[in-house]
Amino acid sequence: GENVEQHPSTLSVQEGDSAVIKCTYSDSASNYFPWYKQELGKRPQLIIDIRSNVGEKKDQRIAVTLNKTAKHFSLHITETQPEDSAVYFCAAYDYKLSFGAGTTVTVRA
Amino acid sequence: NAGVTQTPKFQVLKTGQSMTLQCAQDMNHNSMYWYRQDPGMGLRLIYYSASEGTTDKGEVPNGYNVSRLNKREFSLRLESAAPSQTSVYFCASSVRTSGRTTTDTQYFGPGTRLTVL
Repeated sequence: GENVEQHPSTLSVQEGDSAVIKCTYSDSASNYFPWYKQELGKRPQLIIDIRSNVGEKKDQRIAVTLNKTAKHFSLHITETQPEDSAVYFCAAYDYKLSFGAGTTVTVRA
Repeated sequence: NAGVTQTPKFQVLKTGQSMTLQCAQDMNHNSMYWYRQDPGMGLRLIYYSASEGTTDKGEVPNGYNVSRLNKREFSLRLESAAPSQTSVYFCASSVRTSGRTTTDTQYFGPGTRLTVL
């Protein structure tokens, strides 16, 4: 089955700086890669996703890139704000979603 | 629309007790899922139902059973709870969209925090 690895497990950034989270996957048949944000005590919520026929996608301050050859994809958050503090999960889909272990992002004021 | 709802929000069980976690969605989604979330391990799929009338095992099905009661409802049952099943349980649903590639955008419920003593 699919195996998704996510790094780093924790990330602390100064407000206004950028944050980057990287994920690798094992199954070359995976074709859909969503990112979820989970605030403390809340449910995971989709923030952005990318399909295998696209290399990059941007939505305001967040962007995702996908390298199918290397089987890795990344989440980029620019101009970080305190409300970006949360746990972020990447996932890869091949008939079902497999999630990474999560990255706890802390934005320091 | 309420989206995905789960009951109960919290539950404490003793080892060996049984219980059923309830999940319902009002988005007319075809597929439904049960995950457990443990610290440092992300979300792990327990069981899923691709469509009404079908269920399949996920990554960690041992100790659990599921029932897809109808298109809206998908329940998770613990027959004999064990301390290792202490976790936060999330139900999710999705509508299978397809185009050149398949997407499976999942929407999560608020979760059930279960403690087994």
